[in-house]
Amino acid sequence: SAVISQKPSRDICQRGTSLTIQCQVDSQVTMMFWYRQQPGQSLTLIATANQGSEATYESGFVIDKFPISRPNLTFSTLTVSNMSPEDSSIYLCSHGGAAGYTFGSGTRLTVV
Amino acid sequence: QQQVKQSPQSLIVQKGGISIINCAYENTAFDYFPWYQQFPGKGPALLIAIRPDVSEKKEGRFTISFNKSAKQFSLHIMDSQPGDSATYFCAASTNSGGSNYKLTFGKGTLLTVNP
Repeated sequence: SAVISQKPSRDICQRGTSLTIQCQVDSQVTMMFWYRQQPGQSLTLIATANQGSEATYESGFVIDKFPISRPNLTFSTLTVSNMSPEDSSIYLCSHGGAAGYTFGSGTRLTVV
Repeated sequence: QQQVKQSPQSLIVQKGGISIINCAYENTAFDYFPWYQQFPGKGPALLIAIRPDVSEKKEGRFTISFNKSAKQFSLHIMDSQPGDSATYFCAASTNSGGSNYKLTFGKGTLLTVNP
C-alpha cells in the first residue's frame, strides 16, 4: 500500500481557532478516509474524500465543522473549525489498497 | 448501533501465553475482516485479514478464526511477547475490502504481555 505522510503530528490550539491537517500519499489513490480517535477509544469515521467531488460525511459530522479538501489523487486536508476542548482527539487519514488500508501516524490535537 | 463488538476491553497475558481477542458483527454484508495493531503515538497498522471463504488464516504467530454462521471472528496470538503489547482493533468492511469502502472498527483491546 501507498505510504501516507501526515502533519502536524501534534498541536495545541486555542478554542475558537481552526487547524488544518494535511495528508500526502506517495501514490495516487481514489478514496481517502478521515477518522477521529478519542483518547483510549476506537476509530470513528468522519468522512470519505473522493477527488473531484464533495466529501461524504458520517452521521454526527458536518462540513462546516470539518471541511475537507481533496485537490488531487495524492493529497487531502481536514480542517477542524471553531475548536472546543471536546475536539481534543487524534485525527487520522487513511486510504485503502490491495494490501489493505493504510493509516497516517495521526495528529494529536489538544484544544485549550 | 455498534456494528462490530469487540471483547475483552483489556487483556493481560504472560510471556509465552496465548492472547485471544474476539469480535462479533451484525451486518451480514460485511465480507472483509482485518485486525489492526496500534502502538502509542502511532497510527493503526494492518496485522492480518480474512475473507469469509475461509475459516482460518495464519501468519506467523497470528491466527484469525472465522465463524460465518455465528458472525464471529477472533485473533489468536501464540507465544505472546512483551513487544506484542499494544491496542488491537478488529474491523469489518463490505465489497471484499475494496479500497473505496470504509472500515467499521471495534472498540479495541489493550493487550499487555508481562515478561
